[in-house]
Amino acid sequence: DARVTQTPRHKVTEMGQEVTMRCQPILGHNTVFWYRQTMMQGLELLAYFRNRAPLDDSGMPKDRFSAEMPDATLATLKIQPSEPRDSAVYFCASGLPLRGSETQYFGPGTRLLVL
Amino acid sequence: DAKTTQPNSMESNEEEPVHLPCNHSTISGTDYIHWYRQLPSQGPEYVIHGLTSNVNNRMASLAIAEDRKSSTLILHRATLRDAAVYYCIPRDSGYALNFGKGTSLLVTP
Repeated sequence: DARVTQTPRHKVTEMGQEVTMRCQPILGHNTVFWYRQTMMQGLELLAYFRNRAPLDDSGMPKDRFSAEMPDATLATLKIQPSEPRDSAVYFCASGLPLRGSETQYFGPGTRLLVL
Repeated sequence: DAKTTQPNSMESNEEEPVHLPCNHSTISGTDYIHWYRQLPSQGPEYVIHGLTSNVNNRMASLAIAEDRKSSTLILHRATLRDAAVYYCIPRDSGYALNFGKGTSLLVTP
């Protein structure tokens, strides 16, 4: 049963520290998305990649967030320095867009708390 | 992005059918209508999608209006496990999803 995996599942850190979240997309999927969920904003897109190239990162605060895909099996989202307002659940999703057959598969999320 | 309107919340009794409506009057001709749901403390989960014709799968049915300005997700027999937030998302294939606020479905025994 193929799944998107995310690590860590939970992270508590102090303001100013660097946070790195990792995602392993489903093998063969060529599109990877990063979403963030908070009570106030709901689910919002941060960035997404196709064939490892960034297509849209307009949802990310550029000064502190960065997203990369070092290879096809790993996507990373980094926050440096972290701030309390970054506390949220971060979801990674992967998909293989085919006309008429579109599904995004979500990981379990990384719950981040910045103190 | 097409704007969507969904009820904030709905309630159903267990083992009864549930019809979750969505209005998307500004949908473009190439947008598919996707439905996802999010169970408590989990990531969103794909439910179903369609373009023009009604669609069925093992989880649900999707009824799409002829003018495509609205759709209805149908759960044929609600179970307690179906309690979740349901999102209706018009979107062309391959693009990120704009989730909106969704409908919170409460299922009571």
